Amino acid sequence: DSGVTQTPKHLITATGQRVTLRCSPRSGDLSVYWYQQSLDQGLQFLIQYYNGEERAKGNILERFSAQQFPDLHSELNLSSLELGDSALYFCASSPRQGLTTEAFFGQGTRLTVV
Amino acid sequence: GDSVTQMEGPVTLSEEAFLTINCTYTATGYPSLFWYVQYPGEGLQLLLKATKADDKGSNKGFEATYRKETTSFHLEKGSVQVSDSAVYFCALRGNTDKLIFGTGTRLQVFP
Repeated sequence: DSGVTQTPKHLITATGQRVTLRCSPRSGDLSVYWYQQSLDQGLQFLIQYYNGEERAKGNILERFSAQQFPDLHSELNLSSLELGDSALYFCASSPRQGLTTEAFFGQGTRLTVV
Repeated sequence: GDSVTQMEGPVTLSEEAFLTINCTYTATGYPSLFWYVQYPGEGLQLLLKATKADDKGSNKGFEATYRKETTSFHLEKGSVQVSDSAVYFCALRGNTDKLIFGTGTRLQVFP
């Protein structure tokens, strides 16, 4: 158990809908990262937050947004969902920023858009 | 920008065979390098890391050496087991602070 909790574990929704994925980082970790894992795209970095502030942005669509709250949990909001958004969404956390710091991953949320 | 290139899988081996999974990287400066493993139905777990040139990371019989001259971080294990069957990801963290992953290499070990 990495200590990173993601909810829900599975989500099935229809095209055009909006969903929110939630991540609770390890106790004391200030950085949160979101990744999308699909079969044909591998593991894609979406966005990173550090202590409530956006730190880095990757290949995140405009339909997607995220935030980190004062208690350090994070939410990833996906709207106007398309079939191609079906994927595993992972959250990871690390205690601080810095070159040598590894990230600890949650079990992921499997999103299926039908 | 920073990137990681891994050998394509799947890699199929018999139990007790020698394993090498190639990983090369492109980055400015001196990144830290990581190997993560993903077992079926689970999230990624850190396997090992190296933070400077010539460092060797090791864990559970797996090893990888940070080679700056060849910009490589190949994963090796002397004798694989069926339980090592998983997807292995090479990753780097550079000056941008992003943790960048390769596409992953699936390893299948048969008894």
